[in-house]
Amino acid sequence: DAGVIQSPRHEVTEMGQEVTLRCKPISGHDYLFWYRQTMMRGLELLIYFNNNVPIDDSGMPEDRFSAKMPNASFSTLKIQPSEPRDSAVYFCASNLLGGAPDNEQFFGPGTRLTVL
Amino acid sequence: RKEVEQDPGPFNVPEGATVAFNCTYSNSASQSFFWYRQDCRKEPKLLMSVYSSGNEDGRFTAQLNRASQYISLLIRDSKLSDSATYLCAVPLTDSWGKFQFGAGTQVVVTP
Repeated sequence: DAGVIQSPRHEVTEMGQEVTLRCKPISGHDYLFWYRQTMMRGLELLIYFNNNVPIDDSGMPEDRFSAKMPNASFSTLKIQPSEPRDSAVYFCASNLLGGAPDNEQFFGPGTRLTVL
Repeated sequence: RKEVEQDPGPFNVPEGATVAFNCTYSNSASQSFFWYRQDCRKEPKLLMSVYSSGNEDGRFTAQLNRASQYISLLIRDSKLSDSATYLCAVPLTDSWGKFQFGAGTQVVVTP
């Protein structure tokens, strides 16, 4: 089975440019999470969706960040305009709770973003 | 106090030795816990789940101490391939499906 798919795997852009990260969760999973990982701050949850609906976006750092999930098989995280401090690895994860309070999250390979 | 705290290490372990490290959590209502392994420049992958007092899978043993609010991970007979960062994850009791991850403990197994 295909796991969580993310694209692009690497992105290098210049400050001020728009960046769009993409994620395809595992088919049938009802939760999707966007994380950011840096050496300084570790793994931070940015936003998560349940059945395509955003549940908690309290981790989104600024209005420059936005996320959408137009359907069950696709989500985007957009940064506009990008800044050098946004440089990090962005992970998408999904899981199937099916009524359980917790379950393993499956991570995608991540997008390594560098903003110059 | 952070909700989930880990000793960042690194723990330098000779091949074949045993290493153990802890993860402390602040929410006494937490019922389940997870250990993830993350290799350099890779995504986190689930290593073990802990729902009761502990769990064992081959050379890996996870134990839960509810009174002191920590979980531990013990690796016996360490292999070079065990070198990685180990993240603990605790579901938040007030947010369905949401996890709090620790910063990770780095383990380096040396020949």
